[in-house]
Amino acid sequence: SQTIHQWPATLVQPVGSPLSLECTVEGTSNPNLYWYRQAAGRGLQLLFYSVGIGQISSEVPQNLSASRPQDRQFILSSKKLLLSDSGFYLCAWSLGASGVEETQYFGPGTRLLVL
Amino acid sequence: AQSVAQPEDQVNVAEGNPLTVKCTYSVSGNPYLFWYVQYPNRGLQFLLKYITGDNLVKGSYGFEAEFNKSQTSFHLKKPSALVSDSALYFCAFRAGNNRKLIWGLGTSLAVNP
Repeated sequence: SQTIHQWPATLVQPVGSPLSLECTVEGTSNPNLYWYRQAAGRGLQLLFYSVGIGQISSEVPQNLSASRPQDRQFILSSKKLLLSDSGFYLCAWSLGASGVEETQYFGPGTRLLVL
Repeated sequence: AQSVAQPEDQVNVAEGNPLTVKCTYSVSGNPYLFWYVQYPNRGLQFLLKYITGDNLVKGSYGFEAEFNKSQTSFHLKKPSALVSDSALYFCAFRAGNNRKLIWGLGTSLAVNP
């Protein structure tokens, strides 16, 4: 069966510091991968998605970037964090090329607090 | 513009009573509809989806949802609510071949003992 991991679970960082959040998927090959941010426990905002190694689509211009160095690894980064980057970051995966039935499955999330 | 609406921020129901969490959508073409649940400080869990076929879809934990094309709705239902069903529920849809999901803002369900 497939599993998705995110770490760290919680992170407190000062403004201006760098960020690296990691997401890995096990039990599947060539998944589609997604990074979301959830603010104030409500709406989900899609930040990035990837359909393959080195292929990243950005949805919202911002202070963040994403990379996919390996097939099942997705990294969210920032060079300098802003207060507004605080939130709950969720990674998700779906079966590549599964078409309209594609279901996204989510990781446990990382809560980031920027002070 | 394509959108999905969850008209209720919060739903309160007594344990043992039926529950309904509402979702309506606006899209040109056929939508593919999803429900997810989120427990506090956790990731989202997939509950069920409608792609095609029978309008009544059954999912995890005894939940079901009915696709109503004329009313452009996909309400989530459960015949008998449990306290453990208390969580945040999200409706989402995808239109056509678009990989991205359009998300509702979520409905907080509170089941009172």
